[in-house]
Amino acid sequence: DAGVTQSPTHLIKTRGQQVTLRCSPKSGHDTVSWYQQALGQGPQFIFQYYEEEERQRGNFPDRFSGHQFPNYSSELNVNALLLGDSALYLCASSLAGQFYGYTFGSGTRLTVV
Amino acid sequence: QQQVKQSPQSLIVQKGGISIINCAYENTAFDYFPWYQQFPGKGPALLIAIRPDVSEKKEGRFTISFNKSAKQFSLHIMDSQPGDSATYFCAASSFTAGGTSYGKLTFGQGTILTVHP
Repeated sequence: DAGVTQSPTHLIKTRGQQVTLRCSPKSGHDTVSWYQQALGQGPQFIFQYYEEEERQRGNFPDRFSGHQFPNYSSELNVNALLLGDSALYLCASSLAGQFYGYTFGSGTRLTVV
Repeated sequence: QQQVKQSPQSLIVQKGGISIINCAYENTAFDYFPWYQQFPGKGPALLIAIRPDVSEKKEGRFTISFNKSAKQFSLHIMDSQPGDSATYFCAASSFTAGGTSYGKLTFGQGTILTVHP
């Protein structure tokens, strides 16, 4: 049973560029949440997608956007990259109505130079 | 605003010892308190969780103690093993149907646990 799959695993981008990260949720899950984990910090909630819509958003600027597809997979887009966007980006999936059963992926390590 | 405070930042124990990590929260709407274990290069994995209607939950060597009035909870790892060496995060969340919260997790800052053989 595949868990949460994220791609790519590592990525290096230049300031000002745009990046797209991808996530396939655990089989049977329909809700996807994205978190940003800076080095040495706890994950910070970015947003959550359900039924292809952003349902809840954390304290992140509009440069961070996302999308959920009919197969429940999701993308995280970050525009106008800043050095401070360097972090591990985690995707977590769950089943609607069972919000306490999150499964995290291994993340995408984004480095902005 | 940091809503979940975790301590200590790092912890070193000997094999067989007890590891204790503490967390305090501010938002009384939180109704679910999980602990996550994270190894380098991996995402957080759920270790154990508790709801505020109980004061303690035990699963194997891992125990959560919960003090609702003090708004504090802690993780105890008994008989700590070198394989327990990892970063541990406490978290809190709430769910309000039709409201503004859908179980998003608010994490503590993390504790790096090292268990010496």
